[in-house]
Amino acid sequence: AQRVTQPEKLLSVFKGAPVELKCNYSYSGSPELFWYVQYSRQRLQLLLRHISRESIKGFTADLNKGETSFHLKKPFAQEEDSAMYYCALDNYGQNFVFGPGTRLSVLP
Amino acid sequence: DVKVTQSSRYLVKRTGEKVFLECVQDMDHENMFWYRQDPGLGLRLIYFSYDVKMKEKGDIPEGYSVSREKKERFSLILESASTNQTSMYLCASSSSVLTGGFGYTFGSGTRLTVV
Repeated sequence: AQRVTQPEKLLSVFKGAPVELKCNYSYSGSPELFWYVQYSRQRLQLLLRHISRESIKGFTADLNKGETSFHLKKPFAQEEDSAMYYCALDNYGQNFVFGPGTRLSVLP
Repeated sequence: DVKVTQSSRYLVKRTGEKVFLECVQDMDHENMFWYRQDPGLGLRLIYFSYDVKMKEKGDIPEGYSVSREKKERFSLILESASTNQTSMYLCASSSSVLTGGFGYTFGSGTRLTVV
């Protein structure tokens, strides 16, 4: 079955430190993966998608099919990055399967 | 420029009540979705719809039904509300049957408390 795991419920880092939010998936086929972010009191929004190979707000994510991972990284965390982050997998073009989420807290 | 609107931000209902959660999108999207968001569980899909009058069960449809009479509106119905349905409910839409590459647009959510 399609599944997305995010092993950390909470990740705390200091401002300026590197951050990596882990995401692993199980999927039969060629996966399409996304990261969504929800800032305090805001709606869930798309952060980035692997097919675009883009960097948004300094975040990048690389799909590693061998390790079935799609970790989200940023070299220097900012306080405004504090939010809830969800990894999501496109479920054969029908809908998305979301991970349980990781709350990132960037400390001053 | 709100694109997916959920009619209520907060709702408090009594056990056994029939509850309607409304969602409207103005982007002419074909696909609409209802998820519930719970701490530690992430987002779980309740129902989704590819077109008017079409509906598909998601992973946790029990206790819920949906209605899509118009393209822009997708309603979630709790037939007889129970306390375990206390949650944040998120509506989303997307522009293509093939969601890949396009992503969802989410509403701001409805926090439902059943007492």
